[in-house]
Amino acid sequence: DIQMTQSPSSLSASVGDRVTITCQASQDITKSLNWYQQKPGKAPSLLISAASDLEIGVPSRFSGSGSGTDYTLTIRSLQPEDFATYYCQQYDHNPLGVTFGPGTKVD
Amino acid sequence: EEELVESGGRLIQPGRSLRLSCAASGFTFNIYEMNWVRQAPGKGLEWISYISSNGNNVYYADSVKGRFTVSRDNAKNSLYLQMNNLRADDTALYYCARRGVGASIAFDIWGQGTMVTVSS
Repeated sequence: DIQMTQSPSSLSASVGDRVTITCQASQDITKSLNWYQQKPGKAPSLLISAASDLEIGVPSRFSGSGSGTDYTLTIRSLQPEDFATYYCQQYDHNPLGVTFGPGTKVD
Repeated sequence: EEELVESGGRLIQPGRSLRLSCAASGFTFNIYEMNWVRQAPGKGLEWISYISSNGNNVYYADSVKGRFTVSRDNAKNSLYLQMNNLRADDTALYYCARRGVGASIAFDIWGQGTMVTVSS
């Protein structure tokens, strides 16, 4: 099974800061990586798919990059509504191969 | 508006059974693959089950295999999760999630979740 790690597990930031969250897979996942945002008491929301494809309606301050085993979610200028927990999720093109990272809390 | 609404969660004793439901609206349910994802209190997300659009293919995480059964009724735009032999570590918020179209296995629509608490 592919294991996912995220760093940091939490970070403190201020409005306007550039925030970077890293997700690392235990093996090459060839950009099969999605990012979700979860606000307290709410369901997760898809931000980015296939490592770098921004979902419709997601602000352009969010971006994703990476390849191989290492991926990054960047928030260019943190806004008040961005304080949340962020999860990466890998998939290996079969329904069984879905794994979430442990999450990064931005507060 | 595309929406998923889960129901059926409650406090239940270990070893008992429970059936969760997920009602879909605002989209053509029968063309989408569906999943269940759970989140234990204060913890991260765990994928637990998948069902194909026609219901012919199902998959489970090892943690629930043999105890949980996923099904769907496309005529009723509904997804179900039958949970048997419940354990304390099944306590979680259970989400149904739609897999979006495209090559990536991304969950683009989520319900609000239904809480299952397993305790004596």
